[in-house]
Amino acid sequence: AQTVTQSQPEMSVQEAETVTLSCTYDTSESNYYLFWYKQPPSRQMILVIRQEAYKQQNATENRFSVNFQKAAKSFSLKISDSQLGDTAMYFCAFMKANQAGTALIFGKGTTLSVSS
Amino acid sequence: GAVVSQHPSRVICKSGTSVKIECRSLDFQATTMFWYRQFPKKSLMLMATSNEGSKATYEQGVEKDKFLINHASLTLSTLTVTSAHPEDSSFYICSAGLGSGSNQPQHFGDGTRLSIL
Repeated sequence: AQTVTQSQPEMSVQEAETVTLSCTYDTSESNYYLFWYKQPPSRQMILVIRQEAYKQQNATENRFSVNFQKAAKSFSLKISDSQLGDTAMYFCAFMKANQAGTALIFGKGTTLSVSS
Repeated sequence: GAVVSQHPSRVICKSGTSVKIECRSLDFQATTMFWYRQFPKKSLMLMATSNEGSKATYEQGVEKDKFLINHASLTLSTLTVTSAHPEDSSFYICSAGLGSGSNQPQHFGDGTRLSIL
């Protein structure tokens, strides 16, 4: 069975600073996908970034980037130049590849607070 | 872009009432949709996988007679909470993948906040 662990229940950062959210996972699959979702107070689930396990290059989306370490089964999210709108709960998620109709497995989440 | 619509966004009803929540894929077909439950400041817990034209697959511990799922078309899945009680109060959220391939990210509805009095 797959598990996703987020060891930081809460994090805080000042505007314009950089913050890194940790995520580790456990799986025996060789091919899979990893995601970071953001859930602001409105409770919408917003896809932030995704990484295919077979790609060595770390994914980047504007101010968001990941550090994907496949051997260590680590998938951290770095938010650069933090903004007040980044305040949200962030979930790391795992999904098997090559298997249609597979659900996401979520970590427990990290609540990020960005202050001015 | 792909959008998943969930309705209603908020329901308040008396104990014993049955409540139906709809999840629609607006501009794509979804053979599979997922239903999650989320308690305040907690993670999303998968309740069941909704399969178009066949029975839903429920996660361990989820009562299938309590949480009825119907996926009658490629764009609509419904979750009915039957004879709801206060302990069923929660945030329910659905998701659907853009295609049949597993490399497509899932898109989420905006969720339904259910409050049983």
